[in-house]
Amino acid sequence: AQTVTQSQPEMSVQEAETVTLSCTYDTSESDYYLFWYKQPPSRQMILVIRQEAYKQQNATENRFSVNFQKAAKSFSLKISDSQLGDAAMYFCAYRSAGGNKLVFGAGTILRVKS
Amino acid sequence: NAGVMQNPRHLVRRRGQEARLRCSPMKGHSHVYWYRQLPEEGLKFMVYLQKENIIDESGMPKERFSAEFPKEGPSILRIQQVVRGDSAAYFCASSYRIEAFFGQGTRLTVV
Repeated sequence: AQTVTQSQPEMSVQEAETVTLSCTYDTSESDYYLFWYKQPPSRQMILVIRQEAYKQQNATENRFSVNFQKAAKSFSLKISDSQLGDAAMYFCAYRSAGGNKLVFGAGTILRVKS
Repeated sequence: NAGVMQNPRHLVRRRGQEARLRCSPMKGHSHVYWYRQLPEEGLKFMVYLQKENIIDESGMPKERFSAEFPKEGPSILRIQQVVRGDSAAYFCASSYRIEAFFGQGTRLTVV
């Protein structure tokens, strides 16, 4: 069974600075998808970024980018120019290419200081 | 295009009562998933449904929990004879292909 580990329960960043959230996963599959979701206090789960395992190029969405290291099974999220609105719980998630359900990590609380 | 709609947002039930949680997927989405989030934890998969079929219920407790996605109407997650341990946020997600879009969840409190 696949597992996703987020080793940082909580992180803090100063507004306008950069922060990196860590995620590692365990799988025997070669084809899969990885996601980062953001959950603000409203509880809404918002998709931040997605990475296909077959793509070597790291995904980027505006201020959000990932560092995908397939051999190391690592998938970190970098947030540049942090904003107060980035404060939330961030979840890393895995989905098998042939499957449908998401496997989530335990989450990292991100606090943004002004 | 409305997002995934869940209702109610909050539900309080006494021990032993039934809880019914509803989810309307995004327009055009035929895949529905239910996840449970316990306090301070990530989301845990419960069940995956397509119209009128349960595809994967490997994460759902064998007793008291059931789910359906009828041909017409929303998907329903039903919890019978609720216990305090059922208190959690229950999320529904729908997808068409790769990405899953989530509703705002139903927070169930069992008193």
